[in-house]
Amino acid sequence: GESVGLHLPTLSVQEGDNSIINCAYSNSASDYFIWYKQESGKGPQFIIDIRSNMDKRQGQRVTVLLNKTVKHLSLQIAATQPGDSAVYFCAERRSGGYQKVTFGIGTKLQVIP
Amino acid sequence: DTGVSQDPRHKITKRGQNVTFRCDPISEHNRLYWYRQTLGQGPEFLTYFQNEAQLEKSRLLSDRFSAERPKGSFSTLEIQRTEQGDSAMYLCASSENRGLNTEAFFGQGTRLTVV
Repeated sequence: GESVGLHLPTLSVQEGDNSIINCAYSNSASDYFIWYKQESGKGPQFIIDIRSNMDKRQGQRVTVLLNKTVKHLSLQIAATQPGDSAVYFCAERRSGGYQKVTFGIGTKLQVIP
Repeated sequence: DTGVSQDPRHKITKRGQNVTFRCDPISEHNRLYWYRQTLGQGPEFLTYFQNEAQLEKSRLLSDRFSAERPKGSFSTLEIQRTEQGDSAMYLCASSENRGLNTEAFFGQGTRLTVV
């Protein structure tokens, strides 16, 4: 069945360092991938997305890499700041015009000042 | 505040009671989604509306759950005969209808506790 999971449940990084959050997915029919950030008591917040016909996309301080060969997705955050502390979810949607998005378990990012 | 609004923010109910949650999407968004999130887990898709039409439903949406969006604007999610396993955060999201890859904006959720 479909599943989206994460390699590391928690990640601690020093302020100013780069963070890399990894995610593995199993549904080869997925055509769209999204990273969300969720702070305590709030709903998920969109960070960046990538289509399956791309392997890299950059945003402001964030980069998403997609490796379809090994079904792996990563989120890189440059110069991590205390405000980046949150739980990060990767999510995927399969092709066919469906709107259902399947979320992974989440990785908690702790930024050490 | 022009974001997605959910009401109430918190709800405590006794097992067996019915509850109803409301979601007001961003005004120009015609896509609306309901998700459920339990502690330590990612959100789980429940259902999706485009305007007033309910186009997708998860198998998680048992016959005790019903969602409506009668006028294509706000939506309600009702849970009948609540069970302790229904305790979770219920999240609503909305997005524009601009093709397949459209950013969804989430509300802050309604936290349901069934005692």
